[in-house]
Amino acid sequence: AQSVAQPEDQVNVAEGNPLTVKCTYSVSGNPYLFWYVQYPNRGLQFLLKYITGDNLVKGSYGFEAEFNKSQTSFHLKKPSALVSDSALYFCAVRDMTGANNLFFGTGTRLTVIP
Amino acid sequence: EPEVTQTPSHQVTQMGQEVILRCVPISNHLYFYWYRQILGQKVEFLVSFYNNEISEKSEIFDDQFSVERPDGSNFTLKIRSTKLEDSAMYFCASIPDWTSLGTQYFGPGTRLLVL
Repeated sequence: AQSVAQPEDQVNVAEGNPLTVKCTYSVSGNPYLFWYVQYPNRGLQFLLKYITGDNLVKGSYGFEAEFNKSQTSFHLKKPSALVSDSALYFCAVRDMTGANNLFFGTGTRLTVIP
Repeated sequence: EPEVTQTPSHQVTQMGQEVILRCVPISNHLYFYWYRQILGQKVEFLVSFYNNEISEKSEIFDDQFSVERPDGSNFTLKIRSTKLEDSAMYFCASIPDWTSLGTQYFGPGTRLLVL
């Protein structure tokens, strides 16, 4: 069975500092991994995905994520946090056996402090 | 940029009542999904829909749930007789085709509260 885990419910970081939001996965076979962000009163917005190729994936709004097969991780990163990055972040993995649906983590609330 | 829309944004209902949650997927998309998130828990897959039929459903999606695409634009989730534990945020999502490799476009959600 596929699953992802986000070990931190809340991450606080000062504006301008680098940020990391952690995600680990459990899949059989090669994973398709995703990060989504949710701003207040908005739907889940796609940030980036890893399917194959380079382990470092670049996405929207300056975010990137590093796929690490040995550590089964897919941490989301940004070199310099903005206050506007404050939101709820979800890691997800695609169901490889079904109808393309996603399995999500519990989400991490990122707060960037001015 | 086209967006998935959902109505209502909030719904309060009494236990045992029927509710219909509505979604308008992006117009050229072919695959549609419902997910839910109980407060403080994971976003969970409920059902996927393609070519006017359910293609996959989870264990959560029991006989109390149904989905329908009554016209060319709306995609609805019906809960026949709501229970307290149905209180959650419900998200609709769509993808243009099978080759999108999981990049789903989500609506803003409907927060359902069952009293």
